[in-house]
Amino acid sequence: QKEVEQNSGPLSVPEGAIASLNCTYSDRGSQSFFWYRQYSGKSPELIMSIYSNGDKEDGRFTAQLNKASQYVSLLIRDSQPSDSATYLCAVNPNQAGTALIFGKGTTLSVSS
Amino acid sequence: DAGVIQSPRHEVTEMGQEVTLRCKPISGHDYLFWYRQTMMRGLELLIYFNNNVPIDDSGMPEDRFSAKMPNASFSTLKIQPSEPRDSAVYFCASSLTAGAADTQYFGPGTRLTVL
Repeated sequence: QKEVEQNSGPLSVPEGAIASLNCTYSDRGSQSFFWYRQYSGKSPELIMSIYSNGDKEDGRFTAQLNKASQYVSLLIRDSQPSDSATYLCAVNPNQAGTALIFGKGTTLSVSS
Repeated sequence: DAGVIQSPRHEVTEMGQEVTLRCKPISGHDYLFWYRQTMMRGLELLIYFNNNVPIDDSGMPEDRFSAKMPNASFSTLKIQPSEPRDSAVYFCASSLTAGAADTQYFGPGTRLTVL
């Protein structure tokens, strides 16, 4: 059973701080990793994808991947109240015919 | 493009009734996914299609659930008979590929309540 694990939270950070969201996955052969953001009552939307070990930056967001440790993280710098949402980690097991596997998500709350 | 379209947005029904959820994917997308989301189980993949053909339906919970994609622009998810434990938000998503490098675009979801 391929699994993607996330701490459900809530993770509470003050405005302007760095929020760190973590995700582990069980399938060592996984090659593609995604972070989706889901506001309450809305649908998930992709905010970051990462395929290689190391960091990938996009504005205030940085995705970090460590395949040896089977660990992927999302850092949000200068957190804003508008970042308050649930963040879903998704992993592509990279097997023919297999779709993304989603974690249950971490709820982030940014207080002003 | 209008994005992925789902209908209805909300559905309230009584146990035992048939429920049909509808989805129109983004034009040109070859893959269509049906998900169910609950607080307890998170986002679960039910079934996905490639070029209108079901590829993986291992997530369909029971025979009460069925899905069809008669053409590239329309899919249905049917529950018959419905049960209270089917209450959830059902999302449809589409993408150009099954996942490796392409974004899955989600519809707004259908919130199903079975009384």
